[in-house]
Amino acid sequence: QITLKESGPTLVKPTQTLTLTCSFSGFSLSTSGVGVGWIRQPPGKALEWLALIYWNDDKRYSPSLKNRLTITKGTSKNQVVLTMTNMDPVDTATYYCAHRKYSGSYFDYWGQGTLVTVSS
Amino acid sequence: QSALTQPASVSGSPGQSITISCTGSSSDVGSYNLVSWYQQHPGKAPKLMIYEVTKWPSGVSNRFSGSKSGNTASLTISGLQAEDEADYYCCSYAGSSTVIFGGGTKLTVL
Repeated sequence: QITLKESGPTLVKPTQTLTLTCSFSGFSLSTSGVGVGWIRQPPGKALEWLALIYWNDDKRYSPSLKNRLTITKGTSKNQVVLTMTNMDPVDTATYYCAHRKYSGSYFDYWGQGTLVTVSS
Repeated sequence: QSALTQPASVSGSPGQSITISCTGSSSDVGSYNLVSWYQQHPGKAPKLMIYEVTKWPSGVSNRFSGSKSGNTASLTISGLQAEDEADYYCCSYAGSSTVIFGGGTKLTVL
């Protein structure tokens, strides 16, 4: 059974750096064809893809945010970490991590999401 | 990289069929058979409903079906039920291992 769960601060100040952790079970990020992605959703708005990391450490970023994002495998083998620099109130959103199949290019398992508010 | 275009809202009565369109470009939807669809109920995480344009994940009703023509993908829900009322998002592979989502469509079951 695949599960994912996001964790991190619920409130960050403008200009600060956000660090989110995705903790998962039921799969290994060392297995060929497996990836983990981050997707966010501002309140009342659409989903927006942020970043992906694959089993082979290939990393991909949204072109519009790539200068602010870093995705890495965590120190624990069952974690993926996303950092976003220079946070702004427009970055207020629910942040989701999700399991991804490389071959079929889809997110088949999602975490519950974590709401991050950017405010001074 | 602009979001894929979806209608803001669609509606239908129980038992009817509805179709949600998702228009992209030759750089994403038009070039790859890698479109997926997600259902999202309020306050919940998205749920995969269709992948690779036409395939169903295990456990998803075959009342949901997908198709694609040119740069436009479509999700059709037949035999509409009250529990189908939700937001629906399309998503496409966009080359170089990147991804793009649609703007979302709110489905109302009348």
